[in-house]
Amino acid sequence: GQQLNQSPQSMFIQEGEDVSMNCTSSSIFNTWLWYKQDPGEGPVLLIALYKAGELTSNGRLTAQFGITRKDSFLNISASIPSDVGIYFCAGRNYRDDKIIFGKGTRLHILP
Amino acid sequence: DGGITQSPKYLFRKEGQNVTLSCEQNLNHDAMYWYRQDPGQGLRLIYYSQIVNDFQKGDIAEGYSVSREKKESFPLTVTSAQKNPTAFYLCASSIDLGARGATYNEQFFGPGTRLTVL
Repeated sequence: GQQLNQSPQSMFIQEGEDVSMNCTSSSIFNTWLWYKQDPGEGPVLLIALYKAGELTSNGRLTAQFGITRKDSFLNISASIPSDVGIYFCAGRNYRDDKIIFGKGTRLHILP
Repeated sequence: DGGITQSPKYLFRKEGQNVTLSCEQNLNHDAMYWYRQDPGQGLRLIYYSQIVNDFQKGDIAEGYSVSREKKESFPLTVTSAQKNPTAFYLCASSIDLGARGATYNEQFFGPGTRLTVL
């Protein structure tokens, strides 16, 4: 089936550093969603993107819908300890409208 | 408060037993979904439903069953036919399935149920 390639799989950073992660697909998507999941909890929607080129911020988080409609990235500026968790991208496929999820990027913040 | 609730948070079952996981939403969303999450893995779709009394198989429906008798409720039954049922189960809902032209179809998730088979 279709897959989203999300990278990196995991990241170890120092508090205060900026973070960047991305998702790519071989298919065209018309919606990109970014979620954060804390351990033992359900994913929480961070940012939703609907148009190619769209750049949206939510506090220290910024996400962009790639021009080619096949990729998206999420940046976190000045990371803090509560940013720890798993970040998932999800895209709605243009062809069949189904939403598929990436495998997640696990963010660790070193003390 | 509007939202999605799942119960119980933790569930233990013996091999060979069926078990039903609850999912309720008061967001007035038409579409509901069940996902399975295994350690280090993404979300895999089990079943989804767009309207009452209608549901469709997802990518890993074998060994599971659902019902949608009410708009607010979408219970998932894990049957004894499911070979490896121990996992974290997530329920989600959205305004609709994302029909062409629809703009807002973000999925909102419940807190999850962790099922362990003993």
